Amino acid sequence: GDSVTQMEGPVTLSEEAFLTINCTYTATGYPSLFWYVQYPGEGLQLLLKATKADDKGSNKGFEATYRKETTSFHLEKGSVQVSDSAVYFCALRRTGNQFYFGTGTSLTVIP
Amino acid sequence: EAGVAQSPRYKIIEKRQSVAFWCNPISGHATLYWYQQILGQGPKLLIQFQNNGVVDDSQLPKDRFSAERLKGVDSTLKIQPAKLEDSAVYLCASSLDRAGQETQYFGPGTRLLVL
Repeated sequence: GDSVTQMEGPVTLSEEAFLTINCTYTATGYPSLFWYVQYPGEGLQLLLKATKADDKGSNKGFEATYRKETTSFHLEKGSVQVSDSAVYFCALRRTGNQFYFGTGTSLTVIP
Repeated sequence: EAGVAQSPRYKIIEKRQSVAFWCNPISGHATLYWYQQILGQGPKLLIQFQNNGVVDDSQLPKDRFSAERLKGVDSTLKIQPAKLEDSAVYLCASSLDRAGQETQYFGPGTRLLVL
């Protein structure tokens, strides 16, 4: 069945460090891919998305490219801030509007 | 635009008791989802509605969980009787059922603790 695998955390970085959170997926067909973020004490929010191969989603300095050849959608940011501390979830949407989420990666950025 | 509303925000019950959660999706959103998020895990889909019909309830423990979406708007999720392992955050989300509008919008969740 369809699934999403994320790198395990927690991840701790210093401010202004480079961030990569790996995400790979297994799916039939051509799913849409998403990154959601959950800040402490808040609900899940969409961070970025890509709907077809080679698309790049971007928002708030974060980027992810839909790589069909490697079935990946890695999240990157060039310079993280303390305010980026949160849990990040990779997700895919298959036809029929069904979503599958990864287990989440906790990021802590220290000043 | 108002977001997805959920109530209550917190609930503490004893095992074998019953509990119900309510969700009001974003106006005009045809698809509504209920997820269970256990601490340290990603959201797991329990049930998905399109308007007032069930699209997917394959992971809903039907011996104790039930959900309905009357009139294709609000939805309720019920657990009867609750078990200790039902302690989790129950998330409601909604989305437009339209190409290019696949984004799910989540409510704040209901945190359930079963003692």
